[in-house]
Amino acid sequence: QKEVEQNSGPLSVPEGAIASLNCTYSDRGSQSFFWYRQYSGKSPELIMFIYSNGDKEDGRFTAQLNKASQYVSLLIRDSQPSDSATYLCAVGTTDSWGKFQFGAGTQVVVTP
Amino acid sequence: DAGITQSPRHKVTETGTPVTLRCHQTENHRYMYWYRQDPGHGLRLIHYSYGVKDTDKGEVSDGYSVSRSKTEDFLLTLESATSSQTSVYFCAIRSGSDVEQFFGPGTRLTVL
Repeated sequence: QKEVEQNSGPLSVPEGAIASLNCTYSDRGSQSFFWYRQYSGKSPELIMFIYSNGDKEDGRFTAQLNKASQYVSLLIRDSQPSDSATYLCAVGTTDSWGKFQFGAGTQVVVTP
Repeated sequence: DAGITQSPRHKVTETGTPVTLRCHQTENHRYMYWYRQDPGHGLRLIHYSYGVKDTDKGEVSDGYSVSRSKTEDFLLTLESATSSQTSVYFCAIRSGSDVEQFFGPGTRLTVL
């Protein structure tokens, strides 16, 4: 069974601090990795994707990938109350249909 | 905005009744996906399509069927709804050249 694991949280983060979210995956052949943000009652919104080992930065967000350890993370710098949401990790499957496997999500709460 | 709409947005039905959910996209994307989202389970793939009349089963397809007679519409049918199918249903699209998936607004279905 291919799995994507995330800590469910909630992860409580003071405003202005760095939020660190982790995701592990079981399929060693996976090549594409995605982070979605989902506000309560809303649909998932893509915020980052990463395909290569190392770091990828986009504004206050940094995705980190380590394929050898089967680990992908998301850092949110200068956390704001508007970052309070559930963050979903998605891993692209190795077939040709572009399917994703999702983790259950980590709830982040940014406290003023 | 990925040009995806879902209808209805909310529905309450009774056990044993048939239900059809519609996903409509305006950008001629080839790949479309149906997911359900339940607390603690994240997003789970029900069915997917890679073109007109080309569909296949995902990890939780029992009790569901799909049809895609036009590129823009992907229909999800619950032939005889059960309480275990109470969930939030999301449709997603992927363009042929990109790997990312983008989600519609979702349908909240309650089966009494």
